[in-house]
Amino acid sequence: AQTVTQSQPEMSVQEAETVTLSCTYDTSESDYYLFWYKQPPSRQMILVIRQEAYKQQNATENRFSVNFQKAAKSFSLKISDSQLGDAAMYFCAYSLNLNYGGSQGNLIFGKGTKLSVKP
Amino acid sequence: KAGVTQTPRYLIKTRGQQVTLSCSPISGHRSVSWYQQTPGQGLQFLFEYFSETQRNKGNFPGRFSGRQFSNSRSEMNVSTLELGDSALYLCASSLDLMGRRGNEQFFGPGTRLTVL
Repeated sequence: AQTVTQSQPEMSVQEAETVTLSCTYDTSESDYYLFWYKQPPSRQMILVIRQEAYKQQNATENRFSVNFQKAAKSFSLKISDSQLGDAAMYFCAYSLNLNYGGSQGNLIFGKGTKLSVKP
Repeated sequence: KAGVTQTPRYLIKTRGQQVTLSCSPISGHRSVSWYQQTPGQGLQFLFEYFSETQRNKGNFPGRFSGRQFSNSRSEMNVSTLELGDSALYLCASSLDLMGRRGNEQFFGPGTRLTVL
């Protein structure tokens, strides 16, 4: 069974600084997707960034980038120039790639990392 | 486009009762998934519906059930409520089955269920 582990329950960063959130996962599959989702307090969960396992290039979305190490099964999120609005719970998630069939493509989430941003 | 909506937003029930939660996906989305979020267990997958059929199911007892209508709206039902069912229930919709083409799931605000 696939598992996702986030070892940092809480993190704190100074506004305008850079922070890295860690995520490791376990799977015997070779084709899958990895995601980082953000859940602000009392607000809806939104997708931050997505990585396809077969793509060696690390995904980036503006101030957000990932360090994907497939052999190490590691998928960390780097937030540059942190802003007050980045304060939220961040969830790392995994799903199988079902482009060639199957139906077990649900998201498997880590327990989350609560990020605080200090002004 | 309107986002994913869930009703009701808050619900208080007592043990033994049953409850029905509703989810309206983004227009055009055919897949609806349900997740349970608790402080202890985190986010756990309940089930996924696609074209009115349950395509995937998580490890929850049979008291948890769902359905999807022809307009893709979905409901989930929990019968014989237990204290441990208190949680935030999140609905998420996507264009296609989860796992296809790295589908993004769009989440609703959730229904906060409290069982007394």
